Amino acid sequence: DVKVTQSSRYLVKRTGEKVFLECVQDMDHENMFWYRQDPGLGLRLIYFSYDVKMKEKGDIPEGYSVSREKKERFSLILESASTNQTSMYLCASSLDGGVNGYTFGSGTRLTVV
Amino acid sequence: AQSVAQPEDQVNVAEGNPLTVKCTYSVSGNPYLFWYVQYPNRGLQFLLKYITGDNLVKGSYGFEAEFNKSQTSFHLKKPSALVSDSALYFCAVRDTDNYGQNFVFGPGTRLSVLP
Repeated sequence: DVKVTQSSRYLVKRTGEKVFLECVQDMDHENMFWYRQDPGLGLRLIYFSYDVKMKEKGDIPEGYSVSREKKERFSLILESASTNQTSMYLCASSLDGGVNGYTFGSGTRLTVV
Repeated sequence: AQSVAQPEDQVNVAEGNPLTVKCTYSVSGNPYLFWYVQYPNRGLQFLLKYITGDNLVKGSYGFEAEFNKSQTSFHLKKPSALVSDSALYFCAVRDTDNYGQNFVFGPGTRLSVLP
C-alpha cells in the first residue's frame, strides 16, 4: 500500500525553537507539497517541490523553509517557531500534473507554546 | 486565476436521507476536479475525480458528483447518508490550461449525519 508518512502526529514546541517536520513517500513521486490547515481557511500551500533540490514558494511561505535532498523526503523547517504557526501540517505528493491528484500524509498537529 | 468555493461551512442530514455538499469553481480553461474527505486528526483521502468524459462520476463509499460546466459546479452527492459519513469534505480544482498550476482547495464543509 503506497503511502506518505509524516514523522510525528503531535508535536509541542516552544516559541523560538527550530522545528523540523519530516515527510517521506514511497511512491517515487516527483512532486511534493507542504500545506497548513486551519479552521475556516482550508488548506494553504506553504512550499512545494517538483524535483530533488528544487523548491518553490506557495501562498504562505513566510516563516518557513524546506529541504529536498532526496526524491522521497521533503522537510519543512520552522526557523524560529511562533505561536501563530500552531496548526495542522499536511504533506502530500503527486506523480504527474494532476490527473491522479495528491496522496496525503496523516498530518502533524503542531502546537507552539 | 483559479479558485474554488464551498458555500456551506456545515451540512446536517439525517441518516438514510440523501446528502449534497456543494462546490463551485472558477478557472480560465478546463478543470480537474477532486473531492477529498478528512476524518478527525487524519490526512485527506481521495473520494472521486473528474478529469474528462462523463459528467457523472462515481467514487468511494457510494459517493458521486456531477460536473456541470455551465454552472461551474461539482457537487458531491450520496443517495443515503450514513453516520460514518460524518467528516470534513474538501473540493479541489486545477486549471489544466495553466501549466504549472497546483491544486486549489476549498475551505471545507463539515458534514454531520444524525442518527
